[in-house]
Amino acid sequence: DTEVTQTPKHLVMGMTNKKSLKCEQHMGHRAMYWYKQKAKKPPELMFVYSYEKLSINESVPSRFSPECPNSSLLNLHLHALQPEDSALYLCASSQPGQEVNEQFFGPGTRLTVL
Amino acid sequence: RKEVEQDPGPFNVPEGATVAFNCTYSNSASQSFFWYRQDCRKEPKLLMSVYSSGNEDGRFTAQLNRASQYISLLIRDSKLSDSATYLCVAQGGDKLIFGTGTRLQVFP
Repeated sequence: DTEVTQTPKHLVMGMTNKKSLKCEQHMGHRAMYWYKQKAKKPPELMFVYSYEKLSINESVPSRFSPECPNSSLLNLHLHALQPEDSALYLCASSQPGQEVNEQFFGPGTRLTVL
Repeated sequence: RKEVEQDPGPFNVPEGATVAFNCTYSNSASQSFFWYRQDCRKEPKLLMSVYSSGNEDGRFTAQLNRASQYISLLIRDSKLSDSATYLCVAQGGDKLIFGTGTRLQVFP
């Protein structure tokens, strides 16, 4: 059983919709991540939160807005997305500042933008 | 040049075969390395961390050569269930840099 959960599993939205992806981890980790993965490509880092503060934003467009309400929750708010934003969105968690930064992934949300 | 490079495969091997994947990385400051396994339409799962001394977990052996900036994964006695994409990953601070993955298909 995964200790990082994500909802919803699937999401279909129009370009004018506003939706949110949710992630929760029960591992006591203090770093959480959003990744985007397109078919047959590796995951691409979007955002990193460390101790509930945004520490890395990989030049992601403002139509993606992350939020970390507490140490175990991470949200990704979506607004005015484009069809090319369709992808698998993965959340991960780890313990920050470790020499060996093992990250554990949730099952992902498969997003389709029409 | 990509920071982490892998042969994309696919590697098609019979059950029981031994198969080896190689990976090179360009940033000599990379601290730690991992192999992740990803099944089709699923999330990456940590297979093993890779240590300089080499490490083994059952049928899986990982090696790191810092001088050559080279990482390997050896799978012995392949099972059908080993069919997946294997991602070589380098750590830089809190970031993971993924290779493009090597696809393995084990056939009966």
